[in-house]
Amino acid sequence: AQSVTQPDIHITVSEGASLELRCNYSYGATPYLFWYVQSPGQGLQLLLKYFSGDTLVQGIKGFEAEFKRSQSSFNLRKPSVHWSDAAEYFCAVGAPRNTDKLIFGTGTRLQVFP
Amino acid sequence: GAGVSQSPSNKVTEKGKDVELRCDPISGHTALYWYRQRLGQGLEFLIYFQGNSAPDKSGLPSDRFSAERTGESVSTLTIQRTQQEDSAVYLCASSAGGASGEKLFFGSGTQLSVL
Repeated sequence: AQSVTQPDIHITVSEGASLELRCNYSYGATPYLFWYVQSPGQGLQLLLKYFSGDTLVQGIKGFEAEFKRSQSSFNLRKPSVHWSDAAEYFCAVGAPRNTDKLIFGTGTRLQVFP
Repeated sequence: GAGVSQSPSNKVTEKGKDVELRCDPISGHTALYWYRQRLGQGLEFLIYFQGNSAPDKSGLPSDRFSAERTGESVSTLTIQRTQQEDSAVYLCASSAGGASGEKLFFGSGTQLSVL
């Protein structure tokens, strides 16, 4: 069965600094991978997704993520963080052609200091 | 509506009472999901509806939990004889179907507190 691990519960960065949020997955084949963001009081919003092809995917709000099969990872990055990026970030994995259920990680809370 | 709507946004109930949570998906979306998010934890899959197919109930934690969906419209998640461990945010999501997770739109959730 697929699973997702986000090893960092809480990350604090200064505005303008670079950011990398870690995500590791467990799945027997190439899964579908997603990053969602949950801002306070709002629903989850899809940042980006990987299905196949180019392993570096670009998303909204200047985020990108790289799929590394050898490391079973799908880390989220942003070169320069803005204060409005403070939120909870969830990595998720889905099984192609098998189920539409997404398995979510426990989330990483990002705090941004001015 | 423009997005997935959930009601109520907050619900406080006493242990042992039944609660109903409502989800209005985006019009035309055939797939509807319920997830639970406990404090400090990831999203936990509960149930999935796709069109007229039998729902995937594999994530429901106990027989106190049930959900219904009429056609491709509103869904109701019912929790009977609520327990304190049921306290969580219950999130609904809908999609137009197709590939796994494709264009999944989430509502803002219902914060359930069981006293």
